[in-house]
Amino acid sequence: AQRVTQPEKLLSVFKGAPVELKCNYSYSGSPELFWYVQYSRQRLQLLLRHISRESIKGFTADLNKGETSFHLKKPFAQEEDSAMYYCALEGGANNLFFGTGTRLTVIP
Amino acid sequence: GAGVSQSPRYKVAKRGQDVALRCDPISGHVSLFWYQQALGQGPEFLTYFQNEAQLDKSGLPSDRFFAERPEGSVSTLKIQRTQQEDSAVYLCASSLVWTPGGEQFFGPGTRLTVL
Repeated sequence: AQRVTQPEKLLSVFKGAPVELKCNYSYSGSPELFWYVQYSRQRLQLLLRHISRESIKGFTADLNKGETSFHLKKPFAQEEDSAMYYCALEGGANNLFFGTGTRLTVIP
Repeated sequence: GAGVSQSPRYKVAKRGQDVALRCDPISGHVSLFWYQQALGQGPEFLTYFQNEAQLDKSGLPSDRFFAERPEGSVSTLKIQRTQQEDSAVYLCASSLVWTPGGEQFFGPGTRLTVL
């Protein structure tokens, strides 16, 4: 069965500190993985996806198949990074399975 | 450009009432998805359309939930005889054509509260 786990509901870091939002998944095949973000009073939007191997707004995420993880990282957090972050898995079907989300607060 | 729009943004219904939620996808987007997001949870898949064809409705929680997209553009999610457990934010998303790893564009959601 497909499952996405985000162990931290809340995460607070100081501005300029590194940040890592954890995501673990369970899927028997080769998944496509995403990070979606929701800023305050905005709609859910794509931040980055594994298939593109890109860095967006300084964030990166590496797929570790051995650990079944897709953690989101940024070396220096900014106040504007405060938001709700969702890890999502597309497991060969035409829909996304989301984790429960992590609310990141960057303290000035 | 215009993104995905949903209406109404807020809906309050008495238990047992029927409700209809509307989604206008981005023009030209073939794929359309509905998700249900309960408080404190991530979005959960309900159903998927490609044009007017409903190709996957495996996430619909009961036969009280029904979705349609008759002309391959606007979609309506209907919930009959609403129950308190139906209270959630209902999200619509669209994509140009679904491909693995493709981006979905989300609407603002409709917050349904069943009293």
